[in-house]
Amino acid sequence: AQSVTQLGSHVSVSEGALVLLRCNYSSSVPPYLFWYVQYPNQGLQLLLKYTSAATLVKGINGFEAEFKKSETSFHLTKPSAHMSDAAEYFCAVSRRGTGGGNKLTFGTGTQLKVEL
Amino acid sequence: EAGVAQSPRYKIIEKRQSVAFWCNPISGHATLYWYQQILGQGPKLLIQFQNNGVVDDSQLPKDRFSAERLKGVDSTLKIQPAKLEDSAVYLCASSLGQLYNEQFFGPGTRLTVL
Repeated sequence: AQSVTQLGSHVSVSEGALVLLRCNYSSSVPPYLFWYVQYPNQGLQLLLKYTSAATLVKGINGFEAEFKKSETSFHLTKPSAHMSDAAEYFCAVSRRGTGGGNKLTFGTGTQLKVEL
Repeated sequence: EAGVAQSPRYKIIEKRQSVAFWCNPISGHATLYWYQQILGQGPKLLIQFQNNGVVDDSQLPKDRFSAERLKGVDSTLKIQPAKLEDSAVYLCASSLGQLYNEQFFGPGTRLTVL
């Protein structure tokens, strides 16, 4: 079984400050890992994904995440927060290979607040 | 390229009533997913279709929920009868195929059961 744990349901940062959203995963097989962002009343938008190529993954809007197998982590970072980054962020894991299809298991989400 | 379309965007019903949601995936996407997102939680997969066949419906409450994807394109998700705990956002997503892991999500349907 696969799962993800997002530490901190709410994170608040100042505009221009570093954004760090934490995600730890559990998977019995090498995983695919994803970060999605959800703005109010909208669907989820893919920020970035890890599929076993480079461990440091760059995504849209200046976000990046690093896959650390030893720590079973896939934390999301952005050097400088912008007001437009305020949203809910979801980490997700899926099983690699054909057996499990393409089922995504999501974390509970982290609401990011950006303050002036 | 048009995204995943869903309708209605909002629906309010009373418990024990029936409701149906519609999803039109991105053109050419073989795999379609329905998720339930309860307030304060991450989306939970209800059912996954590959073309018009069901791949995974292990978390679908089959006594009240049903879904179909006729002709391998559009899909409908139905709840009959609805319960209070069904209040949630129902998200539809699509991807090129099972091995393509990027899923594209629609805006969702927010269901309120009174």
